[in-house]
Amino acid sequence: LAKTTQPISMDSYEGQEVNITCSHNNIATNDYITWYQQFPSQGPRFIIQGYKTKVTNEVASLFIPADRKSSTLSLPRVSLSDTAVYYCLVGDDSNFGNEKLTFGTGTRLTIIP
Amino acid sequence: DAGVTQSPTHLIKTRGQQVTLRCSPKSGHDTVSWYQQALGQGPQFIFQYYEEEERQRGNFPDRFSGHQFPNYSSELNVNALLLGDSALYLCASSNLAGGWDNEQFFGPGTRLTVL
Repeated sequence: LAKTTQPISMDSYEGQEVNITCSHNNIATNDYITWYQQFPSQGPRFIIQGYKTKVTNEVASLFIPADRKSSTLSLPRVSLSDTAVYYCLVGDDSNFGNEKLTFGTGTRLTIIP
Repeated sequence: DAGVTQSPTHLIKTRGQQVTLRCSPKSGHDTVSWYQQALGQGPQFIFQYYEEEERQRGNFPDRFSGHQFPNYSSELNVNALLLGDSALYLCASSNLAGGWDNEQFFGPGTRLTVL
């Protein structure tokens, strides 16, 4: 499985756009990139998944360059409720939901009022 | 439609004891995975059950065992508890029979403290 590297922590002010970058230099051809969000004392929650270029949903955008060795999760106009740990995961096929998930230590995002 | 539920919410045990944690998957899901999350760390995969059998297993000792029932609910059993077993235990469910690109939904977890 490809190893991922993320910043340990980030701070941002309310209303700003936050970009969290994840490195995955050894990503394989069949790998998808998935981001999860976890609030304290809760289970992780799926945010977004992509394979290449750009994916956008109602919560976030995911930017993946052509070489796919990194990806950036973009959260538009964050609020205090976006304070959480964000995990970048790389999975070995499109059937990601049914394979074991390998979490790193994640990025602890703190939103400042 | 209830999501993934886990019981109990919190549990305190002493070293050497045995514990059983329970999980009910999201409606329509047939697969249950268990994860252990130590404080400040990401969740670590323990094992996954499908059709009442262990389908995948992570790097955990045999003290960790599980079971899946015909209604798809699952139990995680840990024997001979160690202090290092103190963690948040998460259950996630998914729909293996449903095909590709299925999301895993996590429950709120059971906080186990071993004294």
